Amino acid sequence: DGGITQSPKYLFRKEGQNVTLSCEQNLNHDAMYWYRQDPGQGLRLIYYSQIVNDFQKGDIAEGYSVSREKKESFPLTVTSAQKNPTAFYLCASSIRPGQDSYTFGSGTRLTVV
Amino acid sequence: AQSVSQHNHHVILSEAASLELGCNYSYGGTVNLFWYVQYPGQHLQLLLKYFSGDPLVKGIKGFEAEFIKSKFSFNLRKPSVQWSDTAEYFCAFPAVSGGYNKLIFGAGTRLAVHP
Repeated sequence: DGGITQSPKYLFRKEGQNVTLSCEQNLNHDAMYWYRQDPGQGLRLIYYSQIVNDFQKGDIAEGYSVSREKKESFPLTVTSAQKNPTAFYLCASSIRPGQDSYTFGSGTRLTVV
Repeated sequence: AQSVSQHNHHVILSEAASLELGCNYSYGGTVNLFWYVQYPGQHLQLLLKYFSGDPLVKGIKGFEAEFIKSKFSFNLRKPSVQWSDTAEYFCAFPAVSGGYNKLIFGAGTRLAVHP
């Protein structure tokens, strides 16, 4: 079945370390997105990419970085510069941005210890 | 700035009660609107969507939403809720920023249904 796979499901990181969250899709979607979900704040956009080798900052990109070397993959790196990284991270994709609904992965819960 | 407002952050209902969750958006152009649901421990999934046509949209599991352009609203309704409807509900719409499309979400409404 087609879908989005995020790994790992749970991730623990020490302060000062960078960590990379994986997002892979086999839906042949051009557009991919990273959102951060915090209680009471909904989903906030971190980065998005509408095509391979192109990506744009979202509303809360500081302390994060991404790459889009392949259509299927859109990894997110949470750097040590991110001041409050503990959160639930969701990856999504869509066929036609703005015109179709998004498909979401099951998320990665990152905890900084 | 383009935004989505969900008025109720927490809603508690008894089974068989009727549900209405408010959603207002700030965008004057052509609007596509979505409601997503996140059941406990599960990923976000699409509940229903409005692109054009009949402003009353029916979704899965007996949910419906009405697009009222004059009120910039897209409220979610269900005549009789069940315990299994306990979840968090998000209203969303796609916006354009710098030539790129992105989905903007409301803060979410947590619904708890008691047996």
